[in-house]
Amino acid sequence: AQTVTQSQPEMSVQEAETVTLSCTYDTSESDYYLFWYKQPPSRQMILVIRQEAYKQQNATENRFSVNFQKAAKSFSLKISDSQLGDAAMYFCAYRRRGGGGADGLTFGKGTHLIIQP
Amino acid sequence: NAGVTQTPKFRVLKTGQSMTLLCAQDMNHEYMYWYRQDPGMGLRLIHYSVGEGTTAKGEVPDGYNVSRLKKQNFLLGLESAAPSQTSVYFCASSYQADYSPLHFGNGTRLTVT
Repeated sequence: AQTVTQSQPEMSVQEAETVTLSCTYDTSESDYYLFWYKQPPSRQMILVIRQEAYKQQNATENRFSVNFQKAAKSFSLKISDSQLGDAAMYFCAYRRRGGGGADGLTFGKGTHLIIQP
Repeated sequence: NAGVTQTPKFRVLKTGQSMTLLCAQDMNHEYMYWYRQDPGMGLRLIHYSVGEGTTAKGEVPDGYNVSRLKKQNFLLGLESAAPSQTSVYFCASSYQADYSPLHFGNGTRLTVT
């Protein structure tokens, strides 16, 4: 079974600075997808970014980028120019490729990101 | 476009009572899921469905039942609620494709006293 580990229960960063959230995963699969979701206090789950394991290029979405290290099974999220609206829980998630991913995503336990004004 | 809608948003039950959570999606997604979220535990999969009339167990299925009689609806039932089922419940759906992200409802906060 796949497992996803987020080793930082809580992180704090000053507004406008850069912060990196860590995620590692364990899988015997060679092809899969990785995701970062954001959950603000509203409780809504919002997709931040997605990475295909077969692509070497790291995904980016505006101020959000990932550092995907397949051999190390590491998938960190970098948030540049942090804003107050980035304060949220962040979840790393894994979905295997093949079989349509019918069994959904496996989530880490989350990192609570605090933005200091 | 409503996306994924969960009802109710909040509920308080007494131990032993039963209830059903309703999830509806209007995106014509084949796959639907029920997760529970507990502090420090992330989201854990309870049950899922790969199409109308199908259901399967996830990581933490005990104490829950599900049904998918219509493609757009996925029901989660608690037959005899226990305090350990106090949690936030999320429904999600996705296309029949492993690259597809999950689209989530806004969650239901359930308290069992």
